[in-house]
Amino acid sequence: EAGVTQFPSHSVIEKGQTVTLRCDPISGHDNLYWYRRVMGKEIKFLLHFVKESKQDESGMPNNRFLAERTGGTYSTLKVQPAELEDSGVYFCASTSLGGTDTQYFGPGTRLTVL
Amino acid sequence: SQQGEEDPQALSIQEGENATMNCSYKTSINNLQWYRQNSGRGLVHLILIRSNEREKHSGRLRVTLDTSKKSSSLLITASRAADTASYFCATDGGGGSNYKLTFGKGTLLTVNP
Repeated sequence: EAGVTQFPSHSVIEKGQTVTLRCDPISGHDNLYWYRRVMGKEIKFLLHFVKESKQDESGMPNNRFLAERTGGTYSTLKVQPAELEDSGVYFCASTSLGGTDTQYFGPGTRLTVL
Repeated sequence: SQQGEEDPQALSIQEGENATMNCSYKTSINNLQWYRQNSGRGLVHLILIRSNEREKHSGRLRVTLDTSKKSSSLLITASRAADTASYFCATDGGGGSNYKLTFGKGTLLTVNP
């Protein structure tokens, strides 16, 4: 069974540009989470999808971040326009059951905004 | 201290020794999970312990949970150089949106050959 995959693994963009990160959860996992780790700080929750619906987006930093999960399969996280403080590693995780199961993480996307 | 805060922040031991890392949290939890991150790579799930469990084993890993003290410990026995990584505990409150994980800053474990 394939694990959670994320693309790209690394992205370097200029301030003001747009970047779209993609996450493919484990097949059949209805719950999908986005997290972010900014340099030197702890990993923080961004949002949670149940299928295609946003269950909790309380961790989204501001309206420059837009997450979608059309069709309830893969998810995208768009940052537009990117700012320097958006640099960090963006992780995606998925779970199967009601969210009480283990969260399996992808390898992350390292975003560098110059 | 923050939810899911690990202690110590860094730990250096010799191969073969045991490594113990601690985690404290503030609010009620449903589950507590431990993850490992090798340098520059993704998070690897190690073990999940539920709030009604006190101890769990998986290979060379032993996790304890004391809900009265709001703390957990991860013990790695007979450490190997390959165990060198950052270790994080993460808690969730359960129920609807409370399944989101809250992480600590992690413990950097270095196992010297």
